[in-house]
Amino acid sequence: QVTLRESGPALVKPTQTLTLTCTFSGFSLITSGMCVSWIRQPPGKALEWLARIDWDDDKYYSTSLKSRLTISKDTSKNQVVLRMTNMDPVDTATYYCARYAVTTATLDYWGQGTLVTVPS
Amino acid sequence: QSVLTQPPSMSAAPGQKVTISCSGSSSNFGNYYVSWYQQLPGTAPKLLIYDNNKRPSGIPDRFSGSKSVTSATLGITGLQTGDEAVYFCGAWDGSLSAGVFGGGTKLTVL
Repeated sequence: QVTLRESGPALVKPTQTLTLTCTFSGFSLITSGMCVSWIRQPPGKALEWLARIDWDDDKYYSTSLKSRLTISKDTSKNQVVLRMTNMDPVDTATYYCARYAVTTATLDYWGQGTLVTVPS
Repeated sequence: QSVLTQPPSMSAAPGQKVTISCSGSSSNFGNYYVSWYQQLPGTAPKLLIYDNNKRPSGIPDRFSGSKSVTSATLGITGLQTGDEAVYFCGAWDGSLSAGVFGGGTKLTVL
């Protein structure tokens, strides 16, 4: 059974760095074809893809947010960490992590999401 | 502004059929599979369709997907009130080397 769970602060001050952790089970990031992505969704708005890290440590970032994002993995802990610098109120959103399988080219399992608020 | 284009809202009566469109470009739909996700109120998105037209285990065959060169369609037949949700299309974009989503279509079953 594949599960993912996001964890991190619910409140981040402007200019601070957000660190989110995705803890997963039911698959391994050392298995060829396995990847984890981060996606966010501002309240009442659309999904926005942020970043992806692959089993071979390839990393991909949103073009518009690339300078602020860092994604990394700890395969021994089954965790993926996303860091976003210089947080702003417009970054207020629910942040999701999801498994991406290269063979199916889809986000097949999602975490429940964690709401991060940046006050103005 | 989302890379993929969807109608913001649609509505239909219970039992009817609806088709939700998603428009892309050669850099995403041209070379990569399309997925569809269902987001029920207050919940995380759930995979509905992958590889353009495949359903994960547990997804009823009332849901179907198709894709042409630069557009995709999600079809839902026998609409139920429980199908009220926001539906997102998504794909990989080779030019951006990034994932992309549509803006979402809010489906109302009335």
